[in-house]
Amino acid sequence: EIVLTQSPGTLSLSPGERATLSCRASQSVNSNYLAWYQQKPGQAPRLLIYDASSRATGIPDRFSGSGSGTDFTLTISRLEPEDFAVYYCQQDGGSTGTFGQGTKVEIK
Amino acid sequence: EVQLVESGGDLVQPGGSLRLSCAASGFTFNAYSMTWVRQAPGKGLEWVANIHHDGSVGYYVDSVKGRFTISRDNAKNSLSLQMSSLRADDTAVYYCARHNVYKYDYWGQGTPVTVSS
Repeated sequence: EIVLTQSPGTLSLSPGERATLSCRASQSVNSNYLAWYQQKPGQAPRLLIYDASSRATGIPDRFSGSGSGTDFTLTISRLEPEDFAVYYCQQDGGSTGTFGQGTKVEIK
Repeated sequence: EVQLVESGGDLVQPGGSLRLSCAASGFTFNAYSMTWVRQAPGKGLEWVANIHHDGSVGYYVDSVKGRFTISRDNAKNSLSLQMSSLRADDTAVYYCARHNVYKYDYWGQGTPVTVSS
């Protein structure tokens, strides 16, 4: 099973600042099938990024993903008020899947 | 419009059983694998189980193997999760999600399961 470790646990930033979230895998992720989700309180997760760097439908271009192998990054170029939430990375090897433990982006 | 609607969540005693359902609409259900993900109160997301598009194969996280069974009825566009020998640490909101080439692109709103005496 691939273990995903996200850092930091919490990121305290102000609107307009840049957010950089990290996701490290315990072994190489198959074909870079790494996704990122956003979750707000009381809501289901929403797909933001898939295949490490492709934006999902309707996702603003301030969200970007990068990385390969075992190291991946989600970047929010300029935080909007609605971006303060918890973010999860996820991989699926075709049979089982795993999520990182999440990074909370909070208002400073 | 893709819609996934879970139901069946309830309060159940330890050792009890429960069956969750997920009604799908707005897409060709039998073309996609489907996944259950859960979230314990105040915790992160945990992948639980996945089933192939034709129902031929199911996969499970180790903690539910032998206790949970994922199934689907493609004629009714329905996904199920049969849960037995429930434990307190199964308490969570359970989400169904469409599995689309190693990502989960649509999610239901979730159904809460509480295991407590």
